[in-house]
Amino acid sequence: KQEVTQIPAALSVPEGENLVLNCSFTDSAIYNLQWFRQDPGKGLTSLLLIQSSQREQTSGRLNASLDKSSGRSTLYIAASQPGDSATYLCPHFSGGYNKLIFGAGTRLAVHP
Amino acid sequence: NAGVTQTPKFQVLKTGQSMTLQCAQDMNHEYMSWYRQDPGMGLRLIHYSVGAGITDQGEVPNGYNVSRSTTEDFPLRLLSAAPSQTSVYFCASSYEASDRPYEQYFGPGTRLTVT
Repeated sequence: KQEVTQIPAALSVPEGENLVLNCSFTDSAIYNLQWFRQDPGKGLTSLLLIQSSQREQTSGRLNASLDKSSGRSTLYIAASQPGDSATYLCPHFSGGYNKLIFGAGTRLAVHP
Repeated sequence: NAGVTQTPKFQVLKTGQSMTLQCAQDMNHEYMSWYRQDPGMGLRLIHYSVGAGITDQGEVPNGYNVSRSTTEDFPLRLLSAAPSQTSVYFCASSYEASDRPYEQYFGPGTRLTVT
């Protein structure tokens, strides 16, 4: 059964720290990788999309990398802010049919 | 574009009642899916569709029916609601774009409580 493991499960840090969120997949057949954030009681907001031919993608203070050979992705958050507090998700997608496999996410709290 | 829309936002049902959760997208996406999210768990796939008239089961399909008569709409039907179906339901869509293939778009969710 395909699984997504996100480490750490929870993280509480003071603002300003640089953060690393990890994602690993039991199935290394990854077509592309899309990172999302979810605020409490809200929907999923897309952060970054690493396309099939790419190894990383950057947007502002966020940088995501994808290593298909090892089935791992990492999200770097630079100079964290309280507004970054949310749950971060990195579902596995092997291509087609809109079938995503989600892990439980990393719950991030950044305090002033 | 409105993107992916879901109605209602909130719903309370009694056990045994039926209802339909609506999902619509105006991006001409061929792929659509329904997920449920329970507290402390990841989203789980209920049903998905690869185009009008074509649907298939996901990980947790029991108790739910779907159909897709148009590209835009993908309703999820609960035939006889059970307390175990209390959850937040998300609809998603994507398509095989040339520039950003299979980028996922999610709706805002429907929070369902079954008493």
